[in-house]
Amino acid sequence: DTEVTQTPKHLVMGMTNKKSLKCEQHMGHRAMYWYKQKAKKPPELMFVYSYEKLSINESVPSRFSPECPNSSLLNLHLHALQPEDSALYLCASSQEGRNSAGQGAFFGQGTRLTVV
Amino acid sequence: GIQVEQSPPDLILQEGANSTLRCNFSDSVNNLQWFHQNPWGQLINLFYIPSGTKQNGRLSATTVATERYSLLYISSSQTTDSGVYFCAVRPSGTYKYIFGTGTRLKVLA
Repeated sequence: DTEVTQTPKHLVMGMTNKKSLKCEQHMGHRAMYWYKQKAKKPPELMFVYSYEKLSINESVPSRFSPECPNSSLLNLHLHALQPEDSALYLCASSQEGRNSAGQGAFFGQGTRLTVV
Repeated sequence: GIQVEQSPPDLILQEGANSTLRCNFSDSVNNLQWFHQNPWGQLINLFYIPSGTKQNGRLSATTVATERYSLLYISSSQTTDSGVYFCAVRPSGTYKYIFGTGTRLKVLA
């Protein structure tokens, strides 16, 4: 099983709403990632969790709040978003450690978020 | 930080043609992957190729890590090959995967 599952696939939310994106993998990977992708641009890294601890935060605004409840799950909590936050949000996982090889990163299908 | 540039940015081919996509990166990396992003946004793993050459059907890839580039070859292209191709690198000593600028491919029937 090389699958990363994201839910929901589509989400429309108002600027005062609170919502969460969910990501799940069962490959035993210990690194998990959130990326944001705007139209016609490459994915941009937001957060990295390693062994369930936040390892990298790429200066993401606090209205995005990541959470890693266990080694298989990754959430992204959304609150008070702006219309410019509308994008495709991608989750990924990978096996390797900081300096070890692996088989690379595997991505979910993404959540297409629209903020109105 | 590391810079990852892909060329060409856009490519239009007739069905059956061959093509070469290039990925240049500015620093040493532990990992390099090629992805195909379909129109629905799914990033499909094509190759995990930190060095050397691999082939999978009509696709092959070569990475020359010492010279900091990778090539993706597509032979006998099909309309289903259309989409955006990204390389992504993981700089040495980090967990980050940094994406290249992408090549948008359109294959015409």
